[in-house]
Amino acid sequence: DAKTTQPPSMDCAEGRAANLPCNHSTISGNEYVYWYRQIHSQGPQYIIHGLKNNETNEMASLIITEDRKSSTLILPHATLRDTAVYYCIVKEGGNKLVFGAGTILRVKS
Amino acid sequence: EPEVTQTPSHQVTQMGQEVILRCVPISNHLYFYWYRQILGQKVEFLVSFYNNEISEKSEIFDDQFSVERPDGSNFTLKIRSTKLEDSAMYFCASSRRPLPGLLNIQYFGAGTRLSVL
Repeated sequence: DAKTTQPPSMDCAEGRAANLPCNHSTISGNEYVYWYRQIHSQGPQYIIHGLKNNETNEMASLIITEDRKSSTLILPHATLRDTAVYYCIVKEGGNKLVFGAGTILRVKS
Repeated sequence: EPEVTQTPSHQVTQMGQEVILRCVPISNHLYFYWYRQILGQKVEFLVSFYNNEISEKSEIFDDQFSVERPDGSNFTLKIRSTKLEDSAMYFCASSRRPLPGLLNIQYFGAGTRLSVL
């Protein structure tokens, strides 16, 4: 089973920031948090990852709490094309990624 | 930007037939993976492959499945005798060698939709 908990769905107005939360209370000290998204059953798309510090790239920002038990993915200016299922993944043993149900983000005009 | 490519995009086959799904991973990547997603369900790990051998596999990856890297660029998934329940999207992924700190960014292809009739 996935080691993360995410809300099943969220809505966001186009142009506003989308803040997607994730709980990972059992994360261990050397495990990374990864975020992927999946648009219309296309292949999962890597967004961002983090270990302890907040991270930002051209797609999103990742805020990780100091105790590392939760994180938030921020899409600063959501567009209709950001409508997708967003997965928060804490990498478990081995190389595989374990996908949960994710959060369905609906961006509305 | 380098990407993982998969062919065909859609494969239709009869139950009991063999199918081969093909993938071209990103060129400097060393780890390769197959995942599948049955319609409406989660993405599930099937197998990982490194240095010409399977490094990890799931319970789904039984004797009907096999993987191969027949040359320096292709990575294939073979299903020997397809069943109706094999109908799904199959995703190939690749990554650089995972670092000691467990950092392992996997990049996925667009998938092959397998329909078993």
